[in-house]
Amino acid sequence: EAQVTQNPRYLITVTGKKLTVTCSQNMNHEYMSWYRQDPGLGLRQIYYSMNVEVTDKGDVPEGYKVSRKEKRNFPLILESPSPNQTSLYFCASSPTQTGNYGYTFGSGTRLTVV
Amino acid sequence: KNQVEQSPQSLIILEGKNCTLQCNYTVSPFSNLRWYKQDTGRGPVSLTIMTFSENTKSNGRYTATLDADTKQSSLHITASQLSDSASYICVVSGGVGYIPTFGRGTSLIVHP
Repeated sequence: EAQVTQNPRYLITVTGKKLTVTCSQNMNHEYMSWYRQDPGLGLRQIYYSMNVEVTDKGDVPEGYKVSRKEKRNFPLILESPSPNQTSLYFCASSPTQTGNYGYTFGSGTRLTVV
Repeated sequence: KNQVEQSPQSLIILEGKNCTLQCNYTVSPFSNLRWYKQDTGRGPVSLTIMTFSENTKSNGRYTATLDADTKQSSLHITASQLSDSASYICVVSGGVGYIPTFGRGTSLIVHP
């Protein structure tokens, strides 16, 4: 089944403890991206990647890192999480950057930083 | 700055009724417009995708329209069902890098 898989689904952590949220897609998509979703604000792009070893900042990149060493994986790294990063996170992929074929989203990761 | 505005913010309708959701955008140049359905706590799922040359696209009981001149789109839901209760998000891509701009969504509740 074609899908985007995120792990974990739920995560509670403490301020300053490094964490990684994994994202993997099995559709050979070139484009992958991360979003956070907060009440009343909608989805906001954190980082995106047009292909292997090519990443760029979205609208809200502060406090996050990403890497794209393989086409299928696009992990989101929080080096020193803070409470304002408590949010619902989504990874998405698309065949191309244009989005003309739509995005496939993962099921989400609900992160709580205390 | 690119913006996508959706209205209404929330909507309550009775099962079986029709409804129309609106999306206005300022993204330029325009590449495509997509409507997504998002169930609570789940990832958005694509309903329709329209490029500049398309002005209507249907997916079952969902019909999206696009007026590229006025930069407006609508999503019409026919004969609503309880399972239509969700947030509907309009996403417009264009400009340098085709970075998507997301609307904040319309929350639809369908009552029996």
